Amino acid sequence: DVKVTQSSRYLVKRTGEKVFLECVQDMDHENMFWYRQDPGLGLRLIYFSYDVKMKEKGDIPEGYSVSREKKERFSLILESASTNQTSMYLCASSLSDSQETQYFGPGTRLLVL
Amino acid sequence: AQKVTQAQTEISVVEKEDVTLDCVYETRDTTYYLFWYKQPPSGELVFLIRRNSFDEQNEISGRYSWNFQKSTSSFNFTITASQVVDSAVYFCALSGIMYSGGGADGLTFGKGTHLIIQP
Repeated sequence: DVKVTQSSRYLVKRTGEKVFLECVQDMDHENMFWYRQDPGLGLRLIYFSYDVKMKEKGDIPEGYSVSREKKERFSLILESASTNQTSMYLCASSLSDSQETQYFGPGTRLLVL
Repeated sequence: AQKVTQAQTEISVVEKEDVTLDCVYETRDTTYYLFWYKQPPSGELVFLIRRNSFDEQNEISGRYSWNFQKSTSSFNFTITASQVVDSAVYFCALSGIMYSGGGADGLTFGKGTHLIIQP
């Protein structure tokens, strides 16, 4: 079975803090994704990566950056957390073809005070 | 631009009733994939089905069935004899255009339908 894990289920941070959200997959998938989910807005793509050290902006990259130093790990970074980044963050991975199924982690609920 | 519309924000039915969740999509691609995911209260998105644009056959898996109609750009999901465990938010999603560099693109999601099955 595909396994995608995220470092924290719940996280509370203060405005201005640097926040790292970690995602690890164990299926040797080439592609990894970060989404955020907000009530009434569904899931929106923040960033994705199709290879180590490669990254592409999604629909809402502002205020975020990412890092992919190893194939299995994809990190989302909030350089200076703000209250409007309070959200549910979901990581996903898939095989190389863009049409492949994306498998999701359990999500991280981030609260920025 | 791609778009997925799930017009039903919330549906509530009594257990054992059949229920259909609607999904309408827009895309300029001739080749694309459609997906359904289930998100139970625990929060994790669970993959249910993937269907490519060239395969319009209906699919049945136990109590779940899917009706893909390219002519109306719809990919509807029916649960037969619903159970309380089916209560969740269900998302319909559409695959992105292949990135020109040969990589991937994210899925375009609908806003989800919250399904409540009452005992």
